[in-house]
Amino acid sequence: AQRVTQPEKLLSVFKGAPVELKCNYSYSGSPELFWYVQYSRQRLQLLLRHISRESIKGFTADLNKGETSFHLKKPFAQEEDSAMYYCALSTVQGAQKLVFGQGTRLTINP
Amino acid sequence: EPEVTQTPSHQVTQMGQEVILRCVPISNHLYFYWYRQILGQKVEFLVSFYNNEISEKSEIFDDQFSVERPDGSNFTLKIRSTKLEDSAMYFCASARDGGYEQYFGPGTRLTVT
Repeated sequence: AQRVTQPEKLLSVFKGAPVELKCNYSYSGSPELFWYVQYSRQRLQLLLRHISRESIKGFTADLNKGETSFHLKKPFAQEEDSAMYYCALSTVQGAQKLVFGQGTRLTINP
Repeated sequence: EPEVTQTPSHQVTQMGQEVILRCVPISNHLYFYWYRQILGQKVEFLVSFYNNEISEKSEIFDDQFSVERPDGSNFTLKIRSTKLEDSAMYFCASARDGGYEQYFGPGTRLTVT
């Protein structure tokens, strides 16, 4: 079975400080990993996926298969980064349902 | 930019009643999904739909639930005989292909009283 764990429900950092949102996964096969973000009063939207290896809004995430982790990082947090962040896993076969972690609410303090 | 839409935004129903949640996926998308999020809990997969049939469903998606694509645009989730524990936010999502980004709707908040 697939499982995604985000150990922090809440994370609060000051503007300009580095941010790291943790995500660990459990899956016996080869997963695809995603970070979705939900800003206040907005819908869930894709932030980034590991296979694209992009940096979106200054965020990066590296898949570490040895540690089964996909932590989201940003060197300098901005106030507009305050949101709910969900790590998600998808299998590579079939319709590729998403398995979500419980989410981390990130608050950037001015 | 095209978006997934969902109606209604909030539905209140009495226990035992049937509800239909409606979604309009993005027009050229082929894969459709329903997820739900009970307050304070994680987003959970319910069902995926492709080529006019269910491609995968979770153990949550029992005989109480059904999905339909009645025409070329709508994708519905029907919940028969609602229970208190069905109260949740229900999200519809669509994707161009199984390996592509899933686009989410704004959700329908279902409250069962």
